[in-house]
Amino acid sequence: GIQVEQSPPDLILQEGANSTLRCNFSDSVNNLQWFHQNPWGQLINLFYIPSGTKQNGRLSATTVATERYSLLYISSSQTTDSGVYFCALHGSSNTGKLIFGQGTTLQVKP
Amino acid sequence: EAGVAQSPRYKIIEKRQSVAFWCNPISGHATLYWYQQILGQGPKLLIQFQNNGVVDDSQLPKDRFSAERLKGVDSTLKIQPAKLEDSAVYLCASSQADRGYGTQYFGPGTRLLVL
Repeated sequence: GIQVEQSPPDLILQEGANSTLRCNFSDSVNNLQWFHQNPWGQLINLFYIPSGTKQNGRLSATTVATERYSLLYISSSQTTDSGVYFCALHGSSNTGKLIFGQGTTLQVKP
Repeated sequence: EAGVAQSPRYKIIEKRQSVAFWCNPISGHATLYWYQQILGQGPKLLIQFQNNGVVDDSQLPKDRFSAERLKGVDSTLKIQPAKLEDSAVYLCASSQADRGYGTQYFGPGTRLLVL
């Protein structure tokens, strides 16, 4: 099945810093989503981005489907950005279930 | 618009007991999913419904787990009997698109601890 790898596994930032999270995948995709899981466990949708670039405030994401990777950019990080960031996708051959990466754990220090 | 609702939020049981979780998806969403998230890992799909039919249950441990979605709306997930390794967060998600090729929205989850 499709493999999803996220990097880095852990990231510690000072408030105000910028960061880039990466998601590599092994097959073509029909759907790619980025989620933020907050400390209470809630998975919050950030982007639905099977291809192209989107921006939402301090966050932006780019997926290059032909090269099988996606990037999540966080600018001017805040302590509330702390948590786990997941990349999840549908492979082209499956029924619609999301395959999740292992996540990047982000800690933003004041 | 109300989000995906789940209950209970927390449950502690002893091994070999049974437990049930409930999910109410976003109104109008045809596709409903149950995921299991073990501590330190990403969620893993247990079962996917399209309306009240099962689309994918290939990773559901059918000897102890069961799920139903009567009338194509609410869903329940049951574990009987529970094992220690079932301790996890159980997440329900829903999607408007056919077979889920669209944005999936997650509920707050049910944290299960099996002692």
